[in-house]
Amino acid sequence: QKEVEQDPGPLSVPEGAIVSLNCTYSNSAFQYFMWYRQYSRKGPELLMYTYSSGNKEDGRFTAQVDKSSKYISLFIRDSQPSDSATYLCAMSQINDMRFGAGTRLTVKP
Amino acid sequence: GAVVSQHPSWVICKSGTSVKIECRSLDFQATTMFWYRQFPKQSLMLMATSNEGSKATYEQGVEKDKFLINHASLTLSTLTVTSAHPEDSSFYICSASGSLNTEAFFGQGTRLTVV
Repeated sequence: QKEVEQDPGPLSVPEGAIVSLNCTYSNSAFQYFMWYRQYSRKGPELLMYTYSSGNKEDGRFTAQVDKSSKYISLFIRDSQPSDSATYLCAMSQINDMRFGAGTRLTVKP
Repeated sequence: GAVVSQHPSWVICKSGTSVKIECRSLDFQATTMFWYRQFPKQSLMLMATSNEGSKATYEQGVEKDKFLINHASLTLSTLTVTSAHPEDSSFYICSASGSLNTEAFFGQGTRLTVV
Protein backbone atom coordinates (compact mmCIF):
# COMPACT_ATOMS: atom_id res chain seq x y z
CA GLN A 1 0.00 0.00 0.00
CA LYS A 2 1.33 3.41 -0.94
CA GLU A 3 1.73 5.86 1.90
CA VAL A 4 -0.37 8.42 0.05
CA GLU A 5 -3.13 7.59 -2.41
CA GLN A 6 -4.50 10.17 -4.81
CA ASP A 7 -6.63 9.58 -7.87
CA PRO A 8 -4.59 10.87 -10.84
CA GLY A 9 -7.70 11.74 -12.84
CA PRO A 10 -7.88 13.39 -15.27
CA LEU A 11 -10.76 15.43 -13.96
CA SER A 12 -12.63 17.77 -16.28
CA VAL A 13 -15.29 20.19 -15.06
CA PRO A 14 -17.16 23.16 -16.52
CA GLU A 15 -16.30 26.66 -15.41
CA GLY A 16 -18.06 27.58 -12.18
CA ALA A 17 -18.28 24.02 -10.87
CA ILE A 18 -17.21 22.98 -7.40
CA VAL A 19 -14.15 20.74 -7.55
CA SER A 20 -13.36 18.15 -4.90
CA LEU A 21 -9.89 16.65 -4.74
CA ASN A 22 -8.97 13.98 -2.20
CA CYS A 23 -6.14 11.96 -0.75
CA THR A 24 -5.92 9.14 1.72
CA TYR A 25 -2.85 8.16 3.67
CA SER A 26 -1.68 5.36 5.88
CA ASN A 27 0.88 6.87 8.25
CA SER A 28 -0.90 8.27 11.28
CA ALA A 29 2.27 10.15 12.28
CA PHE A 30 1.76 12.80 9.62
CA GLN A 31 0.93 16.11 11.25
CA TYR A 32 1.12 18.66 8.47
CA PHE A 33 -0.98 18.57 5.34
CA MET A 34 -0.49 20.56 2.19
CA TRP A 35 -1.90 21.05 -1.25
CA TYR A 36 0.30 22.14 -4.10
CA ARG A 37 -0.64 23.33 -7.55
CA GLN A 38 1.64 22.58 -10.45
CA TYR A 39 1.28 24.15 -13.87
CA SER A 40 2.87 22.39 -16.78
CA ARG A 41 6.69 22.59 -16.82
CA LYS A 42 6.78 24.50 -13.53
CA GLY A 43 7.67 23.60 -9.98
CA PRO A 44 4.76 23.02 -7.57
CA GLU A 45 3.54 26.02 -5.60
CA LEU A 46 2.07 25.79 -2.14
CA LEU A 47 -1.67 26.44 -2.12
CA MET A 48 -2.86 25.44 1.31
CA TYR A 49 -1.23 24.32 4.51
CA THR A 50 -3.02 22.76 7.47
CA TYR A 51 -1.84 21.44 10.77
CA SER A 52 -3.75 18.47 12.21
CA SER A 53 -7.49 18.01 11.70
CA GLY A 54 -9.90 20.73 10.68
CA ASN A 55 -10.80 23.10 7.88
CA LYS A 56 -8.97 26.01 6.40
CA GLU A 57 -10.38 28.44 3.89
CA ASP A 58 -8.54 30.80 1.57
CA GLY A 59 -10.67 32.55 -1.01
CA ARG A 60 -12.19 29.95 -3.30
CA PHE A 61 -10.11 27.16 -1.77
CA THR A 62 -11.00 25.08 1.28
CA ALA A 63 -8.77 22.37 2.72
CA GLN A 64 -10.14 19.73 5.05
CA VAL A 65 -8.22 17.23 7.15
CA ASP A 66 -9.79 14.28 8.92
CA LYS A 67 -7.00 12.52 10.78
CA SER A 68 -9.33 9.89 12.23
CA SER A 69 -10.12 8.71 8.70
CA LYS A 70 -6.69 9.59 7.30
CA TYR A 71 -8.40 11.59 4.57
CA ILE A 72 -7.76 15.07 3.25
CA SER A 73 -9.66 17.14 0.73
CA LEU A 74 -9.31 20.30 -1.29
CA PHE A 75 -12.42 22.06 -2.53
CA ILE A 76 -12.35 24.71 -5.23
CA ARG A 77 -15.47 26.86 -5.52
CA ASP A 78 -16.46 28.72 -8.67
CA SER A 79 -13.69 27.01 -10.61
CA GLN A 80 -11.98 28.99 -13.36
CA PRO A 81 -10.04 27.92 -16.46
CA SER A 82 -6.94 29.30 -14.75
CA ASP A 83 -7.38 26.61 -12.09
CA SER A 84 -6.47 24.01 -14.70
CA ALA A 85 -3.35 22.36 -13.32
CA THR A 86 -2.16 19.30 -11.47
CA TYR A 87 -2.93 19.34 -7.77
CA LEU A 88 -0.74 17.37 -5.42
CA CYS A 89 -1.46 16.58 -1.82
CA ALA A 90 1.40 16.25 0.58
CA MET A 91 1.83 15.42 4.19
CA SER A 92 4.75 15.56 6.52
CA GLN A 93 6.29 14.91 9.85
CA ILE A 94 9.79 15.74 10.97
CA ASN A 95 12.22 14.86 8.19
CA ASP A 96 9.64 13.04 6.11
CA MET A 97 7.38 14.45 3.44
CA ARG A 98 5.29 12.39 1.03
CA PHE A 99 3.30 13.34 -2.01
CA GLY A 100 0.28 12.00 -3.75
CA ALA A 101 0.44 11.20 -7.45
CA GLY A 102 -1.33 14.43 -8.34
CA THR A 103 -4.73 14.95 -9.94
CA ARG A 104 -4.82 16.64 -13.31
CA LEU A 105 -7.70 19.10 -13.41
CA THR A 106 -9.10 20.84 -16.48
CA VAL A 107 -11.71 23.57 -16.11
CA LYS A 108 -13.45 24.18 -19.40
CA PRO A 109 -14.81 27.65 -20.23
CA GLY B 1 5.66 32.51 0.82
CA ALA B 2 9.31 31.72 1.04
CA VAL B 3 11.45 31.72 -2.08
CA VAL B 4 13.52 28.85 -3.35
CA SER B 5 15.63 29.50 -6.41
CA GLN B 6 16.77 26.63 -8.61
CA HIS B 7 19.35 27.00 -11.34
CA PRO B 8 19.62 26.34 -14.21
CA SER B 9 16.03 26.14 -15.39
CA TRP B 10 17.07 23.98 -18.30
CA VAL B 11 20.24 22.31 -19.48
CA ILE B 12 21.27 20.16 -22.41
CA CYS B 13 24.36 18.05 -22.01
CA LYS B 14 26.21 15.34 -23.84
CA SER B 15 26.04 11.76 -22.71
CA GLY B 16 28.83 10.96 -20.29
CA THR B 17 29.21 14.46 -18.88
CA SER B 18 28.16 15.65 -15.43
CA VAL B 19 25.62 18.33 -14.64
CA LYS B 20 25.22 20.30 -11.42
CA ILE B 21 21.91 21.76 -10.33
CA GLU B 22 21.75 24.34 -7.55
CA CYS B 23 18.94 24.95 -5.12
CA ARG B 24 19.01 28.04 -2.92
CA SER B 25 16.66 29.22 -0.21
CA LEU B 26 16.66 33.00 -0.54
CA ASP B 27 14.87 34.21 2.57
CA PHE B 28 14.99 31.40 5.10
CA GLN B 29 17.36 28.79 6.43
CA ALA B 30 16.66 25.45 4.84
CA THR B 31 17.39 22.77 7.38
CA THR B 32 16.14 20.09 5.06
CA MET B 33 16.16 19.92 1.28
CA PHE B 34 14.43 17.38 -0.88
CA TRP B 35 15.31 16.43 -4.44
CA TYR B 36 12.73 15.02 -6.83
CA ARG B 37 12.55 13.96 -10.42
CA GLN B 38 9.43 14.03 -12.50
CA PHE B 39 8.80 12.31 -15.82
CA PRO B 40 6.18 13.76 -18.17
CA LYS B 41 2.64 13.41 -16.88
CA GLN B 42 3.84 11.63 -13.77
CA SER B 43 4.04 12.62 -10.15
CA LEU B 44 7.07 13.79 -8.27
CA MET B 45 9.40 11.00 -7.23
CA LEU B 46 11.47 11.69 -4.15
CA MET B 47 15.12 10.93 -4.82
CA ALA B 48 16.78 11.95 -1.59
CA THR B 49 16.47 14.01 1.55
CA SER B 50 19.38 16.04 2.83
CA ASN B 51 19.93 17.83 6.10
CA GLU B 52 22.50 20.58 6.33
CA GLY B 53 25.91 19.20 7.19
CA SER B 54 24.84 15.56 6.91
CA LYS B 55 24.97 12.96 4.20
CA ALA B 56 21.85 12.70 2.11
CA THR B 57 19.38 9.87 2.63
CA TYR B 58 18.52 8.28 -0.69
CA GLU B 59 15.30 6.57 -1.59
CA GLN B 60 15.41 2.95 -2.58
CA GLY B 61 16.52 2.49 -6.15
CA VAL B 62 18.30 5.84 -6.42
CA GLU B 63 22.03 5.50 -7.08
CA LYS B 64 23.85 7.73 -4.66
CA ASP B 65 27.08 7.56 -6.67
CA LYS B 66 25.25 8.79 -9.73
CA PHE B 67 23.20 11.52 -8.08
CA LEU B 68 25.56 13.35 -5.76
CA ILE B 69 23.87 15.63 -3.27
CA ASN B 70 25.67 18.23 -1.24
CA HIS B 71 23.99 20.36 1.42
CA ALA B 72 26.93 22.30 2.76
CA SER B 73 25.06 25.36 4.03
CA LEU B 74 21.62 26.30 5.27
CA THR B 75 20.84 28.07 2.02
CA LEU B 76 22.37 25.89 -0.66
CA SER B 77 22.05 22.32 -1.84
CA THR B 78 23.39 20.90 -5.08
CA LEU B 79 22.52 17.84 -7.11
CA THR B 80 25.15 16.57 -9.52
CA VAL B 81 24.12 14.05 -12.13
CA THR B 82 27.34 12.24 -12.92
CA SER B 83 28.05 10.53 -16.23
CA ALA B 84 24.62 11.48 -17.49
CA HIS B 85 22.83 9.27 -19.96
CA PRO B 86 19.71 9.90 -22.06
CA GLU B 87 17.57 7.98 -19.57
CA ASP B 88 18.50 10.60 -16.97
CA SER B 89 16.64 13.20 -19.00
CA SER B 90 13.88 14.44 -16.72
CA PHE B 91 12.55 17.37 -14.76
CA TYR B 92 14.44 17.74 -11.47
CA ILE B 93 12.89 19.77 -8.67
CA CYS B 94 14.19 20.71 -5.25
CA SER B 95 12.22 21.76 -2.24
CA ALA B 96 13.34 23.21 1.05
CA SER B 97 11.89 23.41 4.51
CA GLY B 98 12.94 25.23 7.63
CA SER B 99 13.79 24.00 11.09
CA LEU B 100 10.24 22.93 11.94
CA ASN B 101 10.18 20.86 8.77
CA THR B 102 6.51 21.45 8.14
CA GLU B 103 5.71 23.01 4.81
CA ALA B 104 8.19 22.92 1.98
CA PHE B 105 8.76 25.41 -0.81
CA PHE B 106 9.76 24.34 -4.28
CA GLY B 107 12.25 25.57 -6.76
CA GLN B 108 11.21 26.26 -10.32
CA GLY B 109 12.64 22.95 -11.53
CA THR B 110 15.41 22.07 -13.98
CA ARG B 111 14.70 20.34 -17.24
CA LEU B 112 17.66 18.14 -18.08
CA THR B 113 18.07 16.75 -21.57
CA VAL B 114 20.95 14.38 -22.21
CA VAL B 115 21.81 13.90 -25.86
